[in-house]
Amino acid sequence: GNSVTQMEGPVTLSEEAFLTINCTYTATGYPSLFWYVQYPGEGLQLLLKATKADDKGSNKGFEATYRKETTSFHLEKGSVQVSDSAVYFCALQNAGNMLTFGGGTRLMVKP
Amino acid sequence: DTAVSQTPKYLVTQMGNDKSIKCEQNLGHDTMYWYKQDSKKFLKIMFSYNNKELIINETVPNRFSPKSPDKAHLNLHINSLELGDSAVYFCASSQARDQPQHFGDGTRLSIL
Repeated sequence: GNSVTQMEGPVTLSEEAFLTINCTYTATGYPSLFWYVQYPGEGLQLLLKATKADDKGSNKGFEATYRKETTSFHLEKGSVQVSDSAVYFCALQNAGNMLTFGGGTRLMVKP
Repeated sequence: DTAVSQTPKYLVTQMGNDKSIKCEQNLGHDTMYWYKQDSKKFLKIMFSYNNKELIINETVPNRFSPKSPDKAHLNLHINSLELGDSAVYFCASSQARDQPQHFGDGTRLSIL
């Protein structure tokens, strides 16, 4: 079956630091990969996605590259801000199937 | 202009009661979902529903039942509430099952 594994949090960084949140997956076929973000007290929002190998998803300074050879989709940002503090979820989806989420990684950015 | 709206935002009730959470989407999407998020932020899909098919996660107790009066609504009914039902419940919708999902802001259910 499908599964997604994320690094456990919380990840605590100072403002303007470099961010990496690791995500690896197990799936049959060629899934689409997603990063969702959940700000405090809110629902999940789609942050970025990639639908095939070597695609790079990007949004709001965040990037992730679909690496089929390592079955990974690590989230990166060059310079984080306090407003990036949230919980980040990696997810995958095979055609016609529902999303499978990772366990979430809490990011805390200090001024 | 909220895309996916849930009510109530907070629900506090006693063990054994029956309660409902409402969800509405104004995106014209064909598929709606219910998720449960526990205290550790782990998300579990409970149901996926469109006008043709209901898919139930087999781990969900049959005390939980989705009810869809029309395409824009998917309400969650819970009978005989238990302490372990305390969680945040999220409704979501998508154009199709393999499209990105839009989430509501969640309903925090607390069982006393």
